[in-house]
Parts: sequence; structure tokens; C-alpha cells
Amino acid sequence: IVLTQSPGTLSLSPGDRATLSCRASQSVAGSYLAWYQQKPGQAPRLLIYGASSRATGIPDRFSGSGSGTDFTLTISRLEPEDFAVYYCQQYSGSPGFGQGTKVEIK
Amino acid sequence: EVQLVESGGVVVQPGGSLRLSCAASGFTFDDYSIHWVRQAPGKGLEWVSLFSWDGTSTLYADSVKGRFTISRDNSKSSLYLQMNSLTTEDSAFYYCAKVALPYGDLLYFDSWGQGTLVTVSS
Repeated sequence: IVLTQSPGTLSLSPGDRATLSCRASQSVAGSYLAWYQQKPGQAPRLLIYGASSRATGIPDRFSGSGSGTDFTLTISRLEPEDFAVYYCQQYSGSPGFGQGTKVEIK
Repeated sequence: EVQLVESGGVVVQPGGSLRLSCAASGFTFDDYSIHWVRQAPGKGLEWVSLFSWDGTSTLYADSVKGRFTISRDNSKSSLYLQMNSLTTEDSAFYYCAKVALPYGDLLYFDSWGQGTLVTVSS
């Protein structure tokens, strides 16, 4: 399964709503899709699993949705610490990641 | 507290070999599948390999199949990656990552190491 994330870069201001897309080349069984946040010099951090379940300690401004081949990560109101790169990952088969979406300060 | 600590990353010449290690602590190592994920500097994440929690199977990305070998030593709570026939395309930070739930292999990752840098260059 190939994951394609869009857009490549999202230029937004603090307080804005961010909508990130992850599209799969074939249906992701069981909605086995996760989202990660990665900041420079750091390992990725799990945000969402099962397409819509927030990981422990993740603020409720982060939400995930979707099924089949189309998934979305939404950040309702961007905080300064949310500017980072976001990756989706499917785990319905041999694991794979999308190429990432960078959320940068406008 | 879960900790994963990678080591072994160095500069190596094309065609060379290298063995990476991942030392784990803070959880029951035997019950979890651990994976290797790599990231070339400035690039995205690429899944590399997994070792099943029960020790019965391994899986590799096509890009490393036949060149890399994953292994684990439960007595030392450690995971390894033997890398042979290295090319410049293998230059990356290599992370070990623990799946979130016990007794499963194809899952999402709740803990990552800090990564170890492998540079393949002449």
C-alpha cells in the first residue's frame, strides 16, 4: 500500500485550523492508520492510531478521521509547538509511511 | 519508563558492512515486536524491518531484502540489524521502534529510540 500525503507544505498561522490528507493506493483494512508528529532532531511521536483514536497525552485539538483509502488529520487550532512534520503510517500489511506534510508558520 | 537506545552508526565505505544494536528497557521485551525504521537526512520515514514478538518471523522492505538481517536476543533485551553490501542510498538515521501492543507485529509505534546515524561514503 502506497500512502500519499497532501499538501507537501502547509503555511498557517497560530490559531488556524490545519487539515492534512493521507490517501492510500488501496483500502487500508480495519482503518489501521496512524499519524505521527516529528520535530527537528527528534524521533517521531505517535498522535493517532486506528485512524481516529488519540494516543496517551495527545491534546484534543488533534483529531483523525477517515476510512478505506482517505484519511485526515485535523489540528483545530494551531499552537506554536504544533509546527512540525506529520506522517501517516498504515499497518494493515507490511508497514509503510507517507512522505510527510510540513506545517510551517506563515 | 520505556527506553530504546540505538548504537553502532558510523561512516562506512560503499560495499561495506555494519551492525546496529538497539538496547531496550522499561517493558517486557519478549512480548513485543520491535522494528527498524530509517530516515535519510532531510527526508521522510522509511520502514526497514521487523522481528516478530514470538521470534518466529522476520519481514523486510524490498529495498533491503537480501542485504540486511534483523535479529534479537531476548536475554539481553536487544535488537540488531546486520547491514551488508551498503550503498549510499542506505545513509540515514536508523531508529528502532516498539509496537504499542503486546503479542502483535503489524502495529503502530508508541516508543522510538533517538536514532543512530549511518553514513555510507567513500
